[in-house]
Amino acid sequence: KNEVEQSPQNLTAQEGEFITINCSYSVGISALHWLQQHPGGGIVSLFMLSSGKKKHGRLIATINIQEKHSSLHITASHPRDSAVYICAVSLPTGNQFYFGTGTSLTVIP
Amino acid sequence: DAGITQSPRHKVTETGTPVTLRCHQTENHRYMYWYRQDPGHGLRLIHYSYGVKDTDKGEVSDGYSVSRSKTEDFLLTLESATSSQTSVYFCAISEQVTDTQYFGPGTRLTVL
Repeated sequence: KNEVEQSPQNLTAQEGEFITINCSYSVGISALHWLQQHPGGGIVSLFMLSSGKKKHGRLIATINIQEKHSSLHITASHPRDSAVYICAVSLPTGNQFYFGTGTSLTVIP
Repeated sequence: DAGITQSPRHKVTETGTPVTLRCHQTENHRYMYWYRQDPGHGLRLIHYSYGVKDTDKGEVSDGYSVSRSKTEDFLLTLESATSSQTSVYFCAISEQVTDTQYFGPGTRLTVL
């Protein structure tokens, strides 16, 4: 059983398109995290949020606690956005993180 | 970028040999983690540390041990490597338990 599910698993977009990646989780959380992993493996934290919405440049992350759902949006996508995007949740009790298996995004020029 | 390094970055070893991976941080963060990443699985927690000499098991701890004798170093040891431990290993750090984690560059381990 996966505590964190992401969709889609793979996504191909044309440069300039608006992109949405979804994350659903089944446990009570203290926060939800969006991570980016580029080819070559490095993992970078994009957002940590526990309610509402956060924006950084062309990236927007939203969370609906009642529905246990989060979305990551990329506006005006660019080939450099090509990466794997990973959703993770941290639990309020104990030191537990659960990770989704990632969404592989390819943006074509 | 958070100051986290991992060594070695790549290692090929044989079944049954001991292997130690090192994670070093310069951020003075309290929490340190070891994860493995495999195709079809998300990152999975192996062990974590909440202070010097304070460690606990994660989801997939069998076959692994850890040690933290200094704030800046967290060692992961495979006492007798098996082919199922072929994976990419990531170290991460955080200031508080639910804070953003900062990841090291990863170590690709192949056990033949």
